[in-house]
This record gives sequence, C-alpha cells and structure tokens, in this order.
Amino acid sequence: EDQVTQSPEALRLQEGESSSLNCSYTVSGLRGLFWYRQDPGKGPEFLFTLYSAGEEKEKERLKATLTKKESFLHITAPKPEDSATYLCALGSWGKLQFGAGTQVVVTP
Amino acid sequence: ETGVTQTPRHLVMGMTNKKSLKCEQHLGHNAMYWYKQSAKKPLELMFVYNFKEQTENNSVPSRFSPECPNSSHLFLHLHTLQPEDSALYLCASSQDEAGGYNEQFFGPGTRLTVL
Repeated sequence: EDQVTQSPEALRLQEGESSSLNCSYTVSGLRGLFWYRQDPGKGPEFLFTLYSAGEEKEKERLKATLTKKESFLHITAPKPEDSATYLCALGSWGKLQFGAGTQVVVTP
Repeated sequence: ETGVTQTPRHLVMGMTNKKSLKCEQHLGHNAMYWYKQSAKKPLELMFVYNFKEQTENNSVPSRFSPECPNSSHLFLHLHTLQPEDSALYLCASSQDEAGGYNEQFFGPGTRLTVL
C-alpha cells in the first residue's frame, strides 16, 4: 500500500533560520512527487513536481529534492511570508495521495 | 476569472437541507476532482472526473452526489448531511488524469458547516 508521511508536524523558525521539511514515502510505482503550500482558509498552491531520484527544483527561498525514499523541502533564510502549511503528495495510478502537512511559522 | 473558482466560499446548512457546491476551472483542463479537508487530517480524495466521465468514487456516502456537465464545471450536491461532514471542500483540476504525472490546481474551497 502506498504511504506518505511528513515530518515534523509543526516547525517554528526565526526569520533567517534555514530548515528542512521531510516527506518520506513508499510506493509501487512513483509517477511524481508534488509539493504544495497552503495558507489558512485557502486551497493548496502548487510549488514543485519531482519525477526521479536526484532531481532538484528551486523557487525563491524554497528548494525541493528527491531520493528513492524521501523528499526534502529546504527553506533558506525564511521570511514571515513563508509561514504556511506545506503539503507533499504522491502521484501514482491516476491520483494524488497527500501527507498531513508541516505547519511552518516564521517569526520576525 | 482565472484558475479554479468555487462558490459559495462559506455554507452553513442543517442536516435536512439540500445544497450544491459549484466549481469552475478556466485552465482548459480535462480532469476535475473533489477533495475533503478536515482539521489535522490529510486531504481526502472524493471523486475524479476525466473528460466528464467519473473515474473514481473513493467510497463516498451517497449523501454526496457529484455532477460534471462539461470539462469546465463540477458540482457537488449535498443532502441529509451529518455534523461530521463539516469540512473544507476543495475542487481541483489537471490537464488530464494521466496516472498521477500532472500537477493539480486547486480552488479556494468551500467551508461547510453542518448544524
């Protein structure tokens, strides 16, 4: 059975304090590993798709990486506007399976 | 309008009411999805439509009835709901179903409260 687990559940950072979020997975046939950002009361906003181990993608202060068992979302020198819940999702057999998310709070 | 829109944004209904949620996508996509998001739980896929045909019903109770008249519009008809159905209902679309390769784009959601 495909599974996706995110850690930690919550993360509190000082502005400028870099950190990483983890998304570990087991899947019979990976189609894609997706990262989303969700602000309170809003729908998830697409960030990245990674398709194969070793792949990396960057957007502003965010960098996503992928291995055969996990993906990391690195947040470099975060700002308060990076506060959100970050979701990863496993693409397999026609649908996305989401993790529970990591809630990130960045304080000034 | 751009992206994926949902109406209403907020809905309060009694257990005996009938209401409908509407979703419209302006992206030219062919697949549309309904998700349920409850507090502290992962997004739960409810229904998938690809080229107007339902391809997934994730064991959803019959009090939720989807309708997809065309590739741009998706409805979720609600009747005889329970308080535990209170949640954020999200609509999403993607280029096509394509076996999980394609990113999905989400609407803002409808916050549903069942009294």
